[in-house]
Amino acid sequence: NAGVTQTPKFQVLKTGQSMTLQCAQDMNHNSMYWYRQDPGMGLRLIYYSASEGTTDKGEVPNGYNVSRLNKREFSLRLESAAPSQTSVYFCASIPRGGREQPQHFGDGTRLSIL
Amino acid sequence: GESVGLHLPTLSVQEGDNSIINCAYSNSASDYFIWYKQESGKGPQFIIDIRSNMDKRQGQRVTVLLNKTVKHLSLQIAATQPGDSAVYFCAENVWTSYDKVIFGPGTSLSVIP
Repeated sequence: NAGVTQTPKFQVLKTGQSMTLQCAQDMNHNSMYWYRQDPGMGLRLIYYSASEGTTDKGEVPNGYNVSRLNKREFSLRLESAAPSQTSVYFCASIPRGGREQPQHFGDGTRLSIL
Repeated sequence: GESVGLHLPTLSVQEGDNSIINCAYSNSASDYFIWYKQESGKGPQFIIDIRSNMDKRQGQRVTVLLNKTVKHLSLQIAATQPGDSAVYFCAENVWTSYDKVIFGPGTSLSVIP
């Protein structure tokens, strides 16, 4: 049981390049989330998907797009990377509805934008 | 405004001692609280949670205390071990149009052998 799997683990991009961060969970969870983690700022929500077929903005969605490809997969796309998007990105999931349930996290993608 | 903060950014304890990590929250509508542990290079890992209708919950070597009067949350780790060295985050859940989770900035716990 792999849980939440994120790929790639590391990536270096040049300003203006695009890329997609992949996330997949094998726990049959309904809700999935994308966070970024920056030093001293905790985790901030970029986008979430309450269920297959729906996506919504979180606190810091600018510069990002998402796709909930199916129940298992939730991808995050940077269309034109900027240095301010240098961060560690985490994907998380919750079984159903999310009420009073802890999130399950992947091990992150460390992204550097030069 | 909404915020979840930790009183100390770093904490060092001797192996075998008890650790206490504190957290303050500001949203009185929050009804569910979680503590996560994050080791270097890993994602946050669930430790223990507590609902707002409780004031104490115990797990294996860990206890979470909730004081809603002063909006304070603490995590107690008994007999701290080197493997407990990590960053600890508190998080609060508040229902808006979705289950919003607000994370604190984290406390780095170092265990001295």
